[in-house]
Amino acid sequence: DAGVIQSPRHEVTEMGQEVTLRCKPISGHNSLFWYRQTMMRGLELLIYFNNNVPIDDSGMPEDRFSAKMPNASFSTLKIQPSEPRDSAVYFCASSSLGASGANVLTFGAGSRLTVL
Amino acid sequence: AQSVTQLGSHVSVSEGALVLLRCNYSSSVPPYLFWYVQYPNQGLQLLLKYTTGATLVKGINGFEAEFKKSETSFHLTKPSAHMSDAAEYFCAVRMDQAGTALIFGKGTTLSVSS
Repeated sequence: DAGVIQSPRHEVTEMGQEVTLRCKPISGHNSLFWYRQTMMRGLELLIYFNNNVPIDDSGMPEDRFSAKMPNASFSTLKIQPSEPRDSAVYFCASSSLGASGANVLTFGAGSRLTVL
Repeated sequence: AQSVTQLGSHVSVSEGALVLLRCNYSSSVPPYLFWYVQYPNQGLQLLLKYTTGATLVKGINGFEAEFKKSETSFHLTKPSAHMSDAAEYFCAVRMDQAGTALIFGKGTTLSVSS
């Protein structure tokens, strides 16, 4: 299994540009999560999907952020327009809720975004 | 709302010394608790988890953690640190009864010196 695959690994863009981050979850996993990691705020949950349906997007900072999951094997996180304060590492994770009810998340390697 | 507090953003130990990373949680539902490790420029990897049953949980790489309900704690320990243990460690609690999403602490960076 290739694990959770994220692209791009690094993105440098200018303020005001649109940014699209992509994620391919592990095959067979039915939950997908987007987290953002910064020094100041640590790991923040942005949004998560169960069976391709958004369940909780209360962590999405503002309307500039949007996420989609058109099918079980692909998700995008879009920022439009981007701002310097969006600079962070964005992680995608996927999981399959276990029999014990404990959800073990498998993380991708992250996408490091720098907005100039 | 669920939350996790990790005491000490940075812990330094000598190789061979005991590792103790502290985690306290707040949860309105029976807590499911996790420790993850992050190596530089990588994603997070699961070290161990507690759901129900035995309160002392063993994980990978010689780490273990003990769930103490009365203290709302889930501290991570390892008897003897190795240089390869240097990384950032995150404690997490399930977000709700459905147990789908996790809420993470801010992390503790572990440094190991020879």
